[in-house]
Amino acid sequence: DGGITQSPKYLFRKEGQNVTLSCEQNLNHDAMYWYRQDPGQGLRLIYYSQIVNDFQKGDIAEGYSVSREKKESFPLTVTSAQKNPTAFYLCASSINTGVQPQHFGDGTRLSIL
Amino acid sequence: DAKTTQPPSMDCAEGRAANLPCNHSTISGNEYVYWYRQIHSQGPQYIIHGLKNNETNEMASLIITEDRKSSTLILPHATLRDTAVYYCIVRVSRSNFGNEKLTFGTGTRLTIIP
Repeated sequence: DGGITQSPKYLFRKEGQNVTLSCEQNLNHDAMYWYRQDPGQGLRLIYYSQIVNDFQKGDIAEGYSVSREKKESFPLTVTSAQKNPTAFYLCASSINTGVQPQHFGDGTRLSIL
Repeated sequence: DAKTTQPPSMDCAEGRAANLPCNHSTISGNEYVYWYRQIHSQGPQYIIHGLKNNETNEMASLIITEDRKSSTLILPHATLRDTAVYYCIVRVSRSNFGNEKLTFGTGTRLTIIP
């Protein structure tokens, strides 16, 4: 079945440590996105990529980095510069035209030890 | 993108139709209405979207008023698995660039009662 796979489902980070969240899709979608969700709140865009080897900052990119070396993959690194990284991270993808909706993975919950 | 207003919570009896309203009175002509839902601890699930005509798919129906200032998502026969937070989003479709961010508000928490 086609879909978006995020791993791991739960992740723990020590202070000062970088961690990388995986996002893979087999939907042949051009565009991919990373959102952050905090308890009781909506989603906030971290980074997005419309095409391989290109990505743009979203509303809250500070302390995060991404790469898009393959169409299927869009990993997110949460760096030690992100002072409040505890959140639910969601990856999404979409066909890169017009009205097409974004489809989401099941998320990674990151916590600080 | 236009702002949306939804009731914070609703209940619906199992087997009945669930009607979820959304107000988007500042919507502009090139903005679409999208509905997503999020079950606890899962990613949002796309349900349906539309511009001005009513739309129906295997999950739901979307009714948009003639002036496009409000819409209603209808789940025709609600089941316990439809318990979730439902988000109404209004967004411009950029045909030359594709999708950009989705702005999720706080949505409507729908509880299906057995």
